[in-house]
Amino acid sequence: KQEVTQIPAALSVPEGENLVLNCSFTDSAIYNLQWFRQDPGKGLTSLLLIQSSQREQTSGRLNASLDKSSGRSTLYIAASQPGDSATYLCAANGGSQGNLIFGKGTKLSVKP
Amino acid sequence: NAGVTQTPKFRILKIGQSMTLQCTQDMNHNYMYWYRQDPGMGLKLIYYSVGAGITDKGEVPNGYNVSRSTTEDFPLRLELAAPSQTSVYFCASSRQWGTEKLFFGSGTQLSVL
Repeated sequence: KQEVTQIPAALSVPEGENLVLNCSFTDSAIYNLQWFRQDPGKGLTSLLLIQSSQREQTSGRLNASLDKSSGRSTLYIAASQPGDSATYLCAANGGSQGNLIFGKGTKLSVKP
Repeated sequence: NAGVTQTPKFRILKIGQSMTLQCTQDMNHNYMYWYRQDPGMGLKLIYYSVGAGITDKGEVPNGYNVSRSTTEDFPLRLELAAPSQTSVYFCASSRQWGTEKLFFGSGTQLSVL
């Protein structure tokens, strides 16, 4: 059974720092991996989706990488800003319909 | 653009009561999903639908029912509410499965007392 783990559970950094959020999964036979942002009291917003054939995806200051062989994905945030403060979740897609397994998230706080 | 709209945003139920959580999307997406999120936990899939008239169980379907009579609407029904159903419920949709991003509603916070 696929398990998705995100470490650390919480992270606090000063504004301007580059940072990396980690996501690991136990079953490397994934279809794709998706990173989401969740603001308090809000729904999830999809940030990046990496297909299994891809190594990375970029959007603005965000870069997500995928290494299926090691069961790991990272989300790199450049030049962090207070507005980046949120909980970031990753989800591994096992391929069959409905089979999207979420991690518990990393709560990021960027201090001015 | 409205995207995925969920109602209500908050609800308190007594044990044994029933209710329907509403979900509507205006993006003409085929796929729709219901997730629940418990504090400090990842999202768990309750039910999903691949199109009007077609639904299937997810990981935690017990105590819930769904229907999909139109492409736009995917209501979630709670029968005989129990304290274990206290959670935040999210509806989501996507155009395709597996290759496209999911779009989420803002959630319904439900407490069963």
